[in-house]
Amino acid sequence: NAGVTQTPKFRVLKTGQSMTLLCAQDMNHEYMYWYRQDPGMGLRLIHYSVGEGTTAKGEVPDGYNVSRLKKQNFLLGLESAAPSQTSVYFCASLNRALYNEQFFGPGTRLTVL
Amino acid sequence: DAKTTQPNSMESNEEEPVHLPCNHSTISGTDYIHWYRQLPSQGPEYVIHGLTSNVNNRMASLAIAEDRKSSTLILHRATLRDAAVYYCILRDGYSGAGSYQLTFGKGTKLSVIP
Repeated sequence: NAGVTQTPKFRVLKTGQSMTLLCAQDMNHEYMYWYRQDPGMGLRLIHYSVGEGTTAKGEVPDGYNVSRLKKQNFLLGLESAAPSQTSVYFCASLNRALYNEQFFGPGTRLTVL
Repeated sequence: DAKTTQPNSMESNEEEPVHLPCNHSTISGTDYIHWYRQLPSQGPEYVIHGLTSNVNNRMASLAIAEDRKSSTLILHRATLRDAAVYYCILRDGYSGAGSYQLTFGKGTKLSVIP
């Protein structure tokens, strides 16, 4: 049981490049979330999904898009990366029946030059 | 969203109890109190949660004030592995229903001294 995994672990982009971060969970959780964490700060919610085929905006959605084509995967896309998107990105999932605990992945460290 | 106030940092000696405070004076009746912690270079992990009554689990205890305007996370015997940032989070039991969103503040950085 791997839990929540994130790919890649590290990435360096140039301004204007695009990329997709992959989050996968093997716990059959309905809910999935993408957060970003800037240095010395708490996590901020970017987008979330309450089920396959559905997504919604969080606190800081601008510059990001997401897709949830399969229940186990939640993709975060940056169409045109900006230095302000340099951050650590965390994915999380939650079992709706046991809704008090979000399970987090190990994070992706993204640097945009 | 109801907000929480935590000290920026705390220190504890190894093998001694640690009491991490959290103030949430604007808490509403439907807000759950959650604690997560984040070890260095890792994602957050769930610690404990409660609504009105004190709670215990294998990781920690949560003491909730009678008026619910404050709470305390208690680590009974700190180890070096407990050095982390601890987040106190209020989650509305009704609004955002179906999303169960968490709003993280800056948390308390706990240092454990050997």
